[in-house]
Amino acid sequence: DGGITQSPKYLFRKEGQNVTLSCEQNLNHDAMYWYRQDPGQGLRLIYYSQIVNDFQKGDIAEGYSVSREKKESFPLTVTSAQKNPTAFYLCASSPRGGSGYTFGSGTRLTVV
Amino acid sequence: AQSVAQPEDQVNVAEGNPLTVKCTYSVSGNPYLFWYVQYPNRGLQFLLKYITGDNLVKGSYGFEAEFNKSQTSFHLKKPSALVSDSALYFCAVRENSNSGYALNFGKGTSLLVTP
Repeated sequence: DGGITQSPKYLFRKEGQNVTLSCEQNLNHDAMYWYRQDPGQGLRLIYYSQIVNDFQKGDIAEGYSVSREKKESFPLTVTSAQKNPTAFYLCASSPRGGSGYTFGSGTRLTVV
Repeated sequence: AQSVAQPEDQVNVAEGNPLTVKCTYSVSGNPYLFWYVQYPNRGLQFLLKYITGDNLVKGSYGFEAEFNKSQTSFHLKKPSALVSDSALYFCAVRENSNSGYALNFGKGTSLLVTP
């Protein structure tokens, strides 16, 4: 079955650590996206990528980094510069032009 | 900038009654509008979308939405609510700018259906 897989489901980070969230899709979608979800704030765009080896900052990119070396993969690194990283992170993909979007099941990141 | 607003944080409805979850949008040009549902600690599940064509869009699980250009609204509706419909609902509009085609989401509406 085609889909989008996020791992791990739960992640715990110590203060000052970098952590990387995985996102893989087998839908042959060109575009991929990372969103952050906080209670009462909806989903906010962190980064997006339209094609391989290219990505753009979204509304809340500070403290995050991404790479797009393969069409199938779009990992998100939460760096120590992100002061409030505890949140639910959602990855999505779409065909070029954005006619439909598929979401992963999310990663819940907690700072301990 | 394109945006959506969901004016209600929570909607309560009795099982068997019709439900409406409201969404208004602000875009330049023709909007691509979407509704998603989220259950606790899960990703977003697609319900329906409007791109072009009939203003009444039918989607998954008996949901439908009406695109109203004059009122810039895209309200989600269901004729008879189920307890299992209780979840968080998001309206979204596709961005159409130099920033690509990311979805811009409303803040979400929590739907509670009581037996």
